[in-house]
Amino acid sequence: DGGITQSPKYLFRKEGQNVTLSCEQNLNHDAMYWYRQDPGQGLRLIYYSQIVNDFQKGDIAEGYSVSREKKESFPLTVTSAQKNPTAFYLCASSIPGAGDYGYTFGSGTRLTVV
Amino acid sequence: AQKVTQAQTEISVVEKEDVTLDCVYETRDTTYYLFWYKQPPSGELVFLIRRNSFDEQNEISGRYSWNFQKSTSSFNFTITASQVVDSAVYFCALSEGFTGNQFYFGTGTSLTVIP
Repeated sequence: DGGITQSPKYLFRKEGQNVTLSCEQNLNHDAMYWYRQDPGQGLRLIYYSQIVNDFQKGDIAEGYSVSREKKESFPLTVTSAQKNPTAFYLCASSIPGAGDYGYTFGSGTRLTVV
Repeated sequence: AQKVTQAQTEISVVEKEDVTLDCVYETRDTTYYLFWYKQPPSGELVFLIRRNSFDEQNEISGRYSWNFQKSTSSFNFTITASQVVDSAVYFCALSEGFTGNQFYFGTGTSLTVIP
């Protein structure tokens, strides 16, 4: 079945460490996105990529980095510069310019700083 | 300013009651799309419905119905005869134009259906 796989489901990070969240899709979608979800704040866009080897900052990109070397993969690194990384992270994909098609979401990764 | 406002943070209803989730949006585009997503406790967002700005027909799908009114910039979602499985967080979202690069999400409404 086609879909988006995020791993791991739960992730614990020590203060000062970088950590990478995985997002893989087999939907043949060109566009991929990372969102952060905090209680009561909805979803906020971190980074998005419309095509391989290209990506753009979203509303809250500081402290995060991404790469898009393959169409299927869009990993997100939470760096030590991110002051409050504890949150739920959602990856999504879509057809480019998919204002009308909507997104397909992964099941998320819950990151906790310990 | 919020482009999508979901004023109801939490709602609780007793099973079999009807419930309406409100969504108000703001855009200057004439072409835009509105969406509702359901987020069950597992975390994944599940697509429920898409509506474009040129189609104001209300839609019904089983126990779900949606009321789109451009005059009031609202896209409300009603669940009829609610069930415990409807308990989730529901998000309304807006995408502007044909090449919208991102969605604007509301803050979500947490619905609890009490058996």
